[in-house]
Amino acid sequence: SQTIHQWPATLVQPVGSPLSLECTVEGTSNPNLYWYRQAAGRGLQLLFYSVGIGQISSEVPQNLSASRPQDRQFILSSKKLLLSDSGFYLCAWSAGTGGVFDTEAFFGQGTRLTVV
Amino acid sequence: TQLLEQSPQFLSIQEGENLTVYCNSSSVFSSLQWYRQEPGEGPVFLVTVVTGGEVKKLKRLTFQFGDARKDSSLHITAAQTGDTGLYLCAGGSGNTPLVFGKGTRLSVIA
Repeated sequence: SQTIHQWPATLVQPVGSPLSLECTVEGTSNPNLYWYRQAAGRGLQLLFYSVGIGQISSEVPQNLSASRPQDRQFILSSKKLLLSDSGFYLCAWSAGTGGVFDTEAFFGQGTRLTVV
Repeated sequence: TQLLEQSPQFLSIQEGENLTVYCNSSSVFSSLQWYRQEPGEGPVFLVTVVTGGEVKKLKRLTFQFGDARKDSSLHITAAQTGDTGLYLCAGGSGNTPLVFGKGTRLSVIA
């Protein structure tokens, strides 16, 4: 069966510090991978998505970047965190045959990031 | 830009009551998905509807896709405290990532 792991669960970082959130998927190959941010129990804002190794699409230009160094690994990074980067970050995957996106998405447990 | 509007934003009901929440858009979607999210966790997939007018049932939850594939509704019969959570709809267009609504936060009180 497929599983998705996202860590850490919570993170408190000072303003100006770097960030690295990692997400890995097991039990599937060539998935579509996504990073979302969710504000205070509300909807999901898509930050980045990837259809393959090294292929990153950015939906919202901001202080963050993403990388996909391996097929089932997705990393969210920042060189210098801002207070506004605080939020609940979610990694997700979906079956990605032929660049199709509307199959069901499977989410990780999320990372609660607080920038202080 | 495709947008999904969910209503109501918040809903608080007594256990045993029925409720309906809505997901509306001015855009046509090839599919509509529903998710439920509990605090501190990621959303969990519930159902996909793909055909205009389609109705799907998941125990006490009934999902309907509008005839024009622009809107969807979720009806819960005899709500239970375990139904409490944030209900998110997401529209699929095939070759672009899912578009999520902002959700309806449901609180079922014993």
